[in-house]
Amino acid sequence: EAGVTQSPRYAVLQEGQAVSFWCDPISGHDTLYWYQQPRDQGPQLLVYFRDEAVIDNSQLPSDRFSAVRPKGTNSTLKIQSAKQGDTATYLCASRRDWGVEQYFGPGTRLTVL
Amino acid sequence: GQQVQQSPASLVLQEGENAELQCNFSSTATRLQWFYQHPGGRLVSLFYNPSGTKHTGRLTSTTVTNERRSSLHISSSQTTDSGTYFCALSSNTNKVVFGTGTRLQVLP
Repeated sequence: EAGVTQSPRYAVLQEGQAVSFWCDPISGHDTLYWYQQPRDQGPQLLVYFRDEAVIDNSQLPSDRFSAVRPKGTNSTLKIQSAKQGDTATYLCASRRDWGVEQYFGPGTRLTVL
Repeated sequence: GQQVQQSPASLVLQEGENAELQCNFSSTATRLQWFYQHPGGRLVSLFYNPSGTKHTGRLTSTTVTNERRSSLHISSSQTTDSGTYFCALSSNTNKVVFGTGTRLQVLP
């Protein structure tokens, strides 16, 4: 089966600019996760979905970040007005059923100047 | 919320030596997965191991759920094992918390 795909792979922005990240999970995987991984740190969960519903977005900086998964398949994470502190790799992962392992995409490396 | 601690934070080995990485967590209502990440690379699943012992190649994962701990043993380390190892815990609502990672460097 095809793995989790993400685009773009890299993005460089000036502060205040907007950016969107796109994720295509593994087919049939109902749960999708977005993580932020700052350099030399572990991934930190931002938001996750079961089908099209947001299950938990408590760690998403809601004033500038938004995430959608309208048809329960692909997902988009958007940063409205980027800050230097948003510099990190943004990871998408998916899993098929409750309790089984999750699979990660290659990530999008964001640099905000 | 769920707390996940990994130790050691970093480890340097000579090729051929064994390594033992630890993951301790605060809740028993969790399912555990070990990942490997090469610098700048994708997170690769090593084990999904909510309990018991699993082996693959030179790697062994042992999770003792009621003691809230898991270990990853690497035998006969190779330079290609260098990278960062993470454990991640999933709650019964599928919320995931990652540990801080163990950075391993294997010298030739």
